[in-house]
Amino acid sequence: EAGVVQSPRYKIIEKKQPVAFWCNPISGHNTLYWYLQNLGQGPELLIRYENEEAVDDSQLPKDRFSAERLKGVDSTLKIQPAELGDSAVYLCASSQGVANTGELFFGEGSRLTVL
Amino acid sequence: AQSVTQLDSQVPVFEEAPVELRCNYSSSVSVYLFWYVQYPNQGLQLLLKYLSGSTLVKGINGFEAEFNKSQTSFHLRKPSVHISDTAEYFCAVSGGSNYKLTFGKGTLLTVNP
Repeated sequence: EAGVVQSPRYKIIEKKQPVAFWCNPISGHNTLYWYLQNLGQGPELLIRYENEEAVDDSQLPKDRFSAERLKGVDSTLKIQPAELGDSAVYLCASSQGVANTGELFFGEGSRLTVL
Repeated sequence: AQSVTQLDSQVPVFEEAPVELRCNYSSSVSVYLFWYVQYPNQGLQLLLKYLSGSTLVKGINGFEAEFNKSQTSFHLRKPSVHISDTAEYFCAVSGGSNYKLTFGKGTLLTVNP
């Protein structure tokens, strides 16, 4: 069974440019998460989806970040415009069930470098 | 609100030595506790979890952890480590109605020959 797939793995952009990350969760997992991982830190939740609905986006900086999961399967996270401080790893994860018990399956992450 | 404190940012050990990675949590509700491992340039992988029942839980790769409610701790242990155990280890807690998973800052375990 395929795991959580993320692309691109690495992205280097200049500040003020837009960037998008894509995630395909494990088949059958209706809950999808985007996490931000800064260097030397643990992952921090940006947004959680239950099917197509964003049920927790309180930590998503909505002035420049947006996310969508239109058909309740794959998802895209966008940053526009990117800032130097956005350099980090963006992790996507998925889990089974609406009321999960924290057992998440993570992708390998998308490492963003903003110059 | 819930939080996780990993007491050591780095733990260097020699191969075949025992290791303990410490984790303390705070939460106003009953919790679920987890340890995840992250190998270089990879995503996180679940090592073990405590949901209920026995306070001693066993995970993959010979790791185990003990839930101590009175001390609000969930320390991770392995009796004999290998070079391949070198990785970042994250303690995490969830609880409450939205099951939000909160991670600690991680402990880098480096196993030296």
